[in-house]
Amino acid sequence: QVQLKESGPGLVQPSQTLSLTCTVSGFSLTSNSVHWVRQPPGKGLEWVGAIWSGGSTDYNSALKSRLSISRDTSKSQVFLKMNSLQTEDTAIYFCTLYDYWGQGTLVTVSS
Amino acid sequence: EIVLTQSPTTTAASPGEKVTITCLASSSVSNMYWYQQKSGASPKLLIYSTSSLASGVPDRFSGSGSGTSYSLTINTMEAEDAATYYCQQWSSNPLTFGSGTKLEIK
Repeated sequence: QVQLKESGPGLVQPSQTLSLTCTVSGFSLTSNSVHWVRQPPGKGLEWVGAIWSGGSTDYNSALKSRLSISRDTSKSQVFLKMNSLQTEDTAIYFCTLYDYWGQGTLVTVSS
Repeated sequence: EIVLTQSPTTTAASPGEKVTITCLASSSVSNMYWYQQKSGASPKLLIYSTSSLASGVPDRFSGSGSGTSYSLTINTMEAEDAATYYCQQWSSNPLTFGSGTKLEIK
């Protein structure tokens, strides 16, 4: 069955780089796009970016200068890297196909 | 960027009552998607391509609309429908979500 699972550090210091991994199963990354969506505690959903089935990427323009999404199809993994983190980047980060979602991983930006 | 404005922000309904949530887009979009999110859980796709019911979603949920005006309707409210609902557009980059409608049970 289709599964997505996010992993990464729970705590990141301000100005540092966030690295998250989304490990998927039950489908092919070369046939499906994977998106990242984040949700600050108690707030709404924000699209972060996507890697399409062909390997191209799209990013939220507000985050584009700090963001990179890539993948390793042999390992069924999608990666998110975001640099220069600030407290407002504190959020639950989800990877998703939209009809399937990971459980999310909480990232707290704090010293 | 296309801004999606949902209304109401918060509402409550009695069991059996009909509920309608609207989503207005700042520019015309070709389709709308709707998600349900319960506290502490990941969002769940309810409606795709404006009016198609996602797999396993009860048929008391329906979606409609076109252009800049879309709506999600729950025909007969049930206690398990208490949640926050989000609309989303895929028509232009960046993909955007509405700010959410919190639906409570009376």
